[in-house]
Parts: sequence; C-alpha cells; structure tokens
Amino acid sequence: QQQVKQSPQSLIVQKGGISIINCAYENTAFDYFPWYQQFPGKGPALLIAIRPDVSEKKEGRFTISFNKSAKQFSLHIMDSQPGDSATYFCAASINAGNMLTFGGGTRLMVKP
Amino acid sequence: GAGVSQSPRYKVAKRGQDVALRCDPISGHVSLFWYQQALGQGPEFLTYFQNEAQLDKSGLPSDRFFAERPEGSVSTLKIQRTQQEDSAVYLCASSWGALNSGANVLTFGAGSRLTVL
Repeated sequence: QQQVKQSPQSLIVQKGGISIINCAYENTAFDYFPWYQQFPGKGPALLIAIRPDVSEKKEGRFTISFNKSAKQFSLHIMDSQPGDSATYFCAASINAGNMLTFGGGTRLMVKP
Repeated sequence: GAGVSQSPRYKVAKRGQDVALRCDPISGHVSLFWYQQALGQGPEFLTYFQNEAQLDKSGLPSDRFFAERPEGSVSTLKIQRTQQEDSAVYLCASSWGALNSGANVLTFGAGSRLTVL
C-alpha cells in the first residue's frame, strides 16, 4: 500500500527553469510533509518541510505548496541549477513525528 | 561523530549467506531507523529503535531479518540466508528525540549497498 504517491518519476529541466514535483497522500492523519534530496552514493538529506497550517513555505529557491483539501503537496525549484540534479523524495508523518513514509522519488536532471 | 556512519558501504553475498550491516548514529541520538531502498525506489521502513528498545519492527520483510541496538547507540541489521530479493541499499537514520517528540528531522547515513548473487 503506497500511502504517498509521487510524480513524475523523472524530470529534465533546462538551467534557469522551474522544476515541479508533485505528491499526493491518502492518510488524513499525516501532519508533517518534508522533502528530502539525495545525491548518488549519499543518504537523503532534509531540504524543506511544511505543516498543514500553512499553504506555502519558501526557503531560497525552494517552495512547498500544500493543498489540504486535495491531499496534495508539491515542491517547486525556481531558477533550477545543474547542482540541483539529484533524486527528490517527498515524505509524510503523523504527529509531526520522525516515522516518515516516503514517496517513490523523482530523479531530476538540470541541463546546463 | 558528525554524521551517521554505515559499514560496509558495499557488500556482495552469495545466496544463502548471512550478512551484518552496521550503523553508528549521531552521538546522543535517541531514535534510530533502518530503511530499505530498492533501486529507483523510495526508502521503505524496516524497524525503529528508541534507545535500546526496538519499538517497531513491522517493516521487516521476513524472520530472516533481525536488528539490534543493545547499548542504545550502534545498531546492527542482520540478514540470514540472503536471497536475491534482499539486494538493496540499507539506510540507517537517526534523530535526536523520541518518536513524536517533535524531533522530526532524520539524518541519514550513506547506506550499505547489498548485492546478493
């Protein structure tokens, strides 16, 4: 049972463009939604996270948009750079806890 | 240490062999998780420790998988009689607080890549 569904599986964006990755969840008890970034040969690292009491959170070039009624959230990477090329995972947890359920991942390639 | 350390980074095993994967979490971190990451997939939860107590092992795929954290720091994931479907990257993560304490940032190690021939 996949509780967090992520799309697309892969994404190619030109340098300077906007990368958009989407996630949908089923469990309405989820109340914490982080995004993790993983480079080849490394473990995932926290990028940005949101709680459902806000609809958007921005940190530098990275923005999470959250739609509670649709049970969807997305990651926007503005002015995408080749160094952003990595695999991105959305995740969710209950009680803002650390027991994370991950999406399947999106492999992003930013072309120079 | 400064981060979560896992060893070995790569392990090749013949089908039927036993393997042991080690995780050194960040010093003082209460929570420790093991995840399995198949090629091209997201991490899948295996088991959770709060200090030395294994509070959740619902993700372990079979009784061939066993994990321990006897002193509440280093953890070992053991896989007995390995099968080809066990081939994956095994990720360890730690967090400073207990489950649902608000300590919701996981720090992951680089993983141990297991290949079963």
